[in-house]
Amino acid sequence: SAVISQKPSRDICQRGTSLTIQCQVDSQVTMMFWYRQQPGQSLTLIATANQGSEATYESGFVIDKFPISRPNLTFSTLTVSNMSPEDSSIYLCSAQPGQGIYNEQFFGPGTRLTVL
Amino acid sequence: SQQGEEDPQALSIQEGENATMNCSYKTSINNLQWYRQNSGRGLVHLILIRSNEREKHSGRLRVTLDTSKKSSSLLITASRAADTASYFCATRSNDYKLSFGAGTTVTVRA
Repeated sequence: SAVISQKPSRDICQRGTSLTIQCQVDSQVTMMFWYRQQPGQSLTLIATANQGSEATYESGFVIDKFPISRPNLTFSTLTVSNMSPEDSSIYLCSAQPGQGIYNEQFFGPGTRLTVL
Repeated sequence: SQQGEEDPQALSIQEGENATMNCSYKTSINNLQWYRQNSGRGLVHLILIRSNEREKHSGRLRVTLDTSKKSSSLLITASRAADTASYFCATRSNDYKLSFGAGTTVTVRA
């Protein structure tokens, strides 16, 4: 398994500003992911954070809006840029220890973002 | 994109009763995972069932998978107030990405 922590746990931000969310895993993992959960909704994958290369973004998400860093095998950051109220969501970091297709994927506690 | 659909959307049961929720999906999968989320917090991994498995147990949880019907069910037996949460199924195909269902909100009444 993997224990994942995120900082901050919540924040209230002003429109037009940016917020960087940090994700730390207690062990080295190949695969890390960032998800968004809008109020009352399910989870949507934003991107796969690749160590040593650019993140891979899902349809509807772009690097300029959600830049991601993955400097090593235990850490990643997601920045929400030029925020608007529509960005108010829970942002969750996820990691999969091992590369097997049957390996479990674990989640951090989430960052609850409110944009005013 | 969301592949899974869950039903019911919401479920209210008395403590001690069993809770059953279902998940259907559209494409072939390698595995299906169930998660619990309390009050908009992080997701807790409950159980993973492989595509070649039909049933799996973990404590008071029982998961079934029917790949011919592209559906799965999660049964929580002898429910407790602490089981009050949202439950999500997530499917994985060959690309390591998880696609989540809409979730079932379970309320266990004391």
